[in-house]
Amino acid sequence: AQSVSQHNHHVILSEAASLELGCNYSYGGTVNLFWYVQYPGQHLQLLLKYFSGDPLVKGIKGFEAEFIKSKFSFNLRKPSVQWSDTAEYFCAVNAKAAGNKLTFGGGTRVLVKP
Amino acid sequence: DGGITQSPKYLFRKEGQNVTLSCEQNLNHDAMYWYRQDPGQGLRLIYYSQIVNDFQKGDIAEGYSVSREKKESFPLTVTSAQKNPTAFYLCASSPGGANIQYFGAGTRLSVL
Repeated sequence: AQSVSQHNHHVILSEAASLELGCNYSYGGTVNLFWYVQYPGQHLQLLLKYFSGDPLVKGIKGFEAEFIKSKFSFNLRKPSVQWSDTAEYFCAVNAKAAGNKLTFGGGTRVLVKP
Repeated sequence: DGGITQSPKYLFRKEGQNVTLSCEQNLNHDAMYWYRQDPGQGLRLIYYSQIVNDFQKGDIAEGYSVSREKKESFPLTVTSAQKNPTAFYLCASSPGGANIQYFGAGTRLSVL
């Protein structure tokens, strides 16, 4: 079955540490890739997206992600996190092969200690 | 102020009862979606609608029903057939196709 996997369920790190969250998907063919973030008590919101072009995409709040087609991966990175980055992060894939439905990974809860 | 409004914020269901969750959008989006969020499982698609008067089952449609009589509204009914309804329910909309989805604040449903 087609799926999206996020490798870490929980990540705890200190301010100024670097963050990398893994995301792998199992779809073939054309895909659109997203990272969404859910801050405590807030709406799920888009962090960044990849549709085509440069596989290194930059999003809001200093986040970036790299699409590696050969590895079916779309990992999220931030060089130096802040306490305000504490949130749950979701990778999502929209694949033409799946009827353009958005499929989410299980999410990663990130806690940044001040 | 454009956006997606879900109500109520909290909802309690008694055994054997049907409950309806409201979702309204004023973004003029064609497509609307309902997801269920459970800890560690991400968001799972319940139903979606690409156009008024049409909707399709998602991955976990059993025990749920929807309607799409107006472009701006996509209510979800959790029926008594849904044996494990306790979850956080999120509604989303998009212009359609492979576009970005925009989410509401969610409704937390619990069983009494």
